[in-house]
Amino acid sequence: QSALTQPASVSGSPGQSITISCTGTSSDVGAYNYVSWYQQHPGKAPKLMIYDVSNRPSGVSNRFSGSKSGNTASLTISGLQAEDEADYYCSSYTSSSTLVVFGGGTKLTVL
Amino acid sequence: QVQLQESGPGLVKPSETLSLTCTVSGGSISSYYWSWIRQPAGKGLEWIGRVYNSGSTNYNPSLKSRVTVSVDTSKNEISLKLSSVTAADTAVYYCARGLYVRFDDWGQGTLVTVSS
Repeated sequence: QSALTQPASVSGSPGQSITISCTGTSSDVGAYNYVSWYQQHPGKAPKLMIYDVSNRPSGVSNRFSGSKSGNTASLTISGLQAEDEADYYCSSYTSSSTLVVFGGGTKLTVL
Repeated sequence: QVQLQESGPGLVKPSETLSLTCTVSGGSISSYYWSWIRQPAGKGLEWIGRVYNSGSTNYNPSLKSRVTVSVDTSKNEISLKLSSVTAADTAVYYCARGLYVRFDDWGQGTLVTVSS
């Protein structure tokens, strides 16, 4: 059981937009702007896509955006491309002694 | 462009200690947090612990009694030791560099299997 809750899977057609949710609590997502999103292709290491809720590292496409409302953070991918098909994980700082918690991951399928 | 490379035994016997090294090249160890994160096959990510270049550490409470993360700035290496391993510790282990609680750069990961 992961600390943050993500849908197991989402799908979309090329060119469409999709949103992946990440639900936590008032001890993590809801209390701090330290939510990050990672993309992981099969057999590869995760890649940072969004940090501090809505910031993109240099080199990440502006098709990726992040937001937060209450205890739920969201990752939106616009103009879906085949290469976006991957697993996506959210993470957050938590005031518990765990420090960092991850979501269970969401498999994105580009139809 | 910083590169992180994990190394260590791919097979560890139950009850023994798992030891991994992360070698950093193309960048400084200073001013960053260095974390170990693991991922069992087909499952999600679990943060294990981290060390700052000063040597201060934080650990996941679920593993704290068995984990040691350390840094050797002279060698540009970060180490992970996990004692009393069981089959549940079988996973791909990643080292990662970041600021505070985000992970900007990752190694390719190394698979560690716990089996007799």
